[in-house]
Amino acid sequence: DIVMTQSPDSLAVSLGERATINCKSSQSVLYSSNSKNSLAWYQQKPGQPPKLLIYWASTRESGVPDRFSGSGSGTDFTLTISSLQAEDVAVYYCQQYYSTPYTFGQGTKLAIK
Amino acid sequence: EVQLVESGGALVQPGRSLRLSCAASGFTFDDYAMHWVRQAPGKGLEWVSGISWSSGSIGYADSVKGRFTISRDNAKNSLYLQMNSLRAEDTALYYCAKVRLRLLSIGDAFDIWGQGTMVTVSS
Repeated sequence: DIVMTQSPDSLAVSLGERATINCKSSQSVLYSSNSKNSLAWYQQKPGQPPKLLIYWASTRESGVPDRFSGSGSGTDFTLTISSLQAEDVAVYYCQQYYSTPYTFGQGTKLAIK
Repeated sequence: EVQLVESGGALVQPGRSLRLSCAASGFTFDDYAMHWVRQAPGKGLEWVSGISWSSGSIGYADSVKGRFTISRDNAKNSLYLQMNSLRAEDTALYYCAKVRLRLLSIGDAFDIWGQGTMVTVSS
């Protein structure tokens, strides 16, 4: 199984500042046939289901604000929120969909400093 | 509107069975792979099982393999999860989720999630 490890477990950032969350996979999730990384990022607010933010490691889902961006390749990935807004307080998860079981990271709780 | 609505969650005793359902609407259900993901109270997300659009490809987490069975009825736009030999550690909110793209033969991110149905396993 591919193990996904996020860092940090929690993060406090001031409004308007940059937030960075890291995700590391235990093996490469680069899909050779399309040269894309099978890595997604989700946002989950209390009492709500997860919401897809980013897929293929760097493609923003329709309707997601452009302050959210994803980067990385192979085994190391990053979710960046360029200017933190109050509504971004949530838990963020990475997920690999390269091979089953489609494992998630343990989550990173983002708060306002 | 694309929508997934789970049902069937309940309080059950260890060792008993339960069947969850997920009703889909607003999209061509039989074109999309579907998945079950669970979340124990206060914990993170755990992928449970997935089924391809044709039911030709099915996968399970090791933690449920041999006890849970995923299935779908495309005529009824419904996804199911038959859960047998339930354990206390199966206690969780169970979500069904749809993949982004139709007729894929590879993995894909989950773009639509239901609100979940709660399963509590306790004596």
